[in-house]
Amino acid sequence: EAQVTQNPRYLITVTGKKLTVTCSQNMNHEYMSWYRQDPGLGLRQIYYSMNVEVTDKGDVPEGYKVSRKEKRNFPLILESPSPNQTSLYFCASTVGDSTDTQYFGPGTRLTVL
Amino acid sequence: AQSVSQHNHHVILSEAASLELGCNYSYGGTVNLFWYVQYPGQHLQLLLKYFSGDPLVKGIKGFEAEFIKSKFSFNLRKPSVQWSDTAEYFCAVRGSARQLTFGSGTQLTVLP
Repeated sequence: EAQVTQNPRYLITVTGKKLTVTCSQNMNHEYMSWYRQDPGLGLRQIYYSMNVEVTDKGDVPEGYKVSRKEKRNFPLILESPSPNQTSLYFCASTVGDSTDTQYFGPGTRLTVL
Repeated sequence: AQSVSQHNHHVILSEAASLELGCNYSYGGTVNLFWYVQYPGQHLQLLLKYFSGDPLVKGIKGFEAEFIKSKFSFNLRKPSVQWSDTAEYFCAVRGSARQLTFGSGTQLTVLP
């Protein structure tokens, strides 16, 4: 089954404790991205990757890092989380052509205390 | 830079009522337009998309949207809503870059 998976689905942590949210897709998609969803703000793109070893900033990259060492994986790293990063995070992948549709993961609800 | 505006933050309808959700975008070039839906507790799913051709696009579950280039609009419509349509709806635009920009979303509540 074609899917995007994220782990963990729920995470409560404390300020400053480094964490990684994993994202994996099994569709051989080139393009992957991370979004955060906040009430009244919709989804805002954090980072995206157009292929292995190619990443770029989205609209709200501050406080986040990503890596793309393999095509299927695109982890999101918060080196020193802060309470304003409490949010719902979605990973998405897209086939790399002009008619792309994004396939979203199930989301990770992060709370930073 | 591209941007998307969804005018209605929360819409409440009774079953069988007609639905129209507004979406306006700002971008000077060719755009691809999308509507996504997020049912309670679920991730986003694509409802429909417009790339080119017929400006009236039909999607899943009886939804349709019309691209009006002169108005920079891509409104979502459904003739008769059902309780199961209760969800949050997001309009999104993609310009020449690969970046997808979402609107702030419209929460639709359908009363049985």
